[in-house]
Amino acid sequence: AQSVTQLDSHVSVSEGTPVLLRCNYSSSYSPSLFWYVQHPNKGLQLLLKYTSAATLVKGINGFEAEFKKSETSFHLTKPSAHMSDAAEYFCVVSDQPRGSYIPTFGRGTSLIVHP
Amino acid sequence: ETGVTQSPTHLIKTRGQQVTLRCSSQSGHNTVSWYQQALGQGPQFIFQYYREEENGRGNFPPRFSGLQFPNYSSELNVNALELDDSALYLCASSLGSGVNTGELFFGEGSRLTVL
Repeated sequence: AQSVTQLDSHVSVSEGTPVLLRCNYSSSYSPSLFWYVQHPNKGLQLLLKYTSAATLVKGINGFEAEFKKSETSFHLTKPSAHMSDAAEYFCVVSDQPRGSYIPTFGRGTSLIVHP
Repeated sequence: ETGVTQSPTHLIKTRGQQVTLRCSSQSGHNTVSWYQQALGQGPQFIFQYYREEENGRGNFPPRFSGLQFPNYSSELNVNALELDDSALYLCASSLGSGVNTGELFFGEGSRLTVL
């Protein structure tokens, strides 16, 4: 069975400082991994995805994530936070046991950006 | 191109009733998936439809059922509503299915309250 753990429910940073949102996963197969962002009263938007190509994945709005199989981690980073980055972030793992597609979302990390 | 649209945006039902939620997929997409997002939680995968057939299902009872139509729009039906069914229901459309599922494009959701 697959699972995903977002290690922090809330992360608070100052504008212009680095962002780190942590995600650990568990999968019996070769998983695909994603980060999605959800702004208040909006649908989710894909930030980036890993699908067994390069382990360092670059996404939109300056975000990137590194797939570390030995640590079963897929942490999301950004060098410099912007006020508009304040939102809920979800780490997602999906694999396909027995031909069925099942994505699993983490519980989310709320990113708070202070001026 | 039009995005994913869901209706209704809000609705209130009582225990034991039935509800139908609707989703129009993004133009050109052939896959629709549904998610339940309880307050303060990450989305939970209900099921996915690819070319009118269910292609994957999460851990939801049979009273959660769905349909996909030839134009790739979709419905989510929930029978015998329970209080715990109160949540935001998200629809996402994409190209491809299973591990080949491309980027998910989400609607803004239908918020269901069960009294």
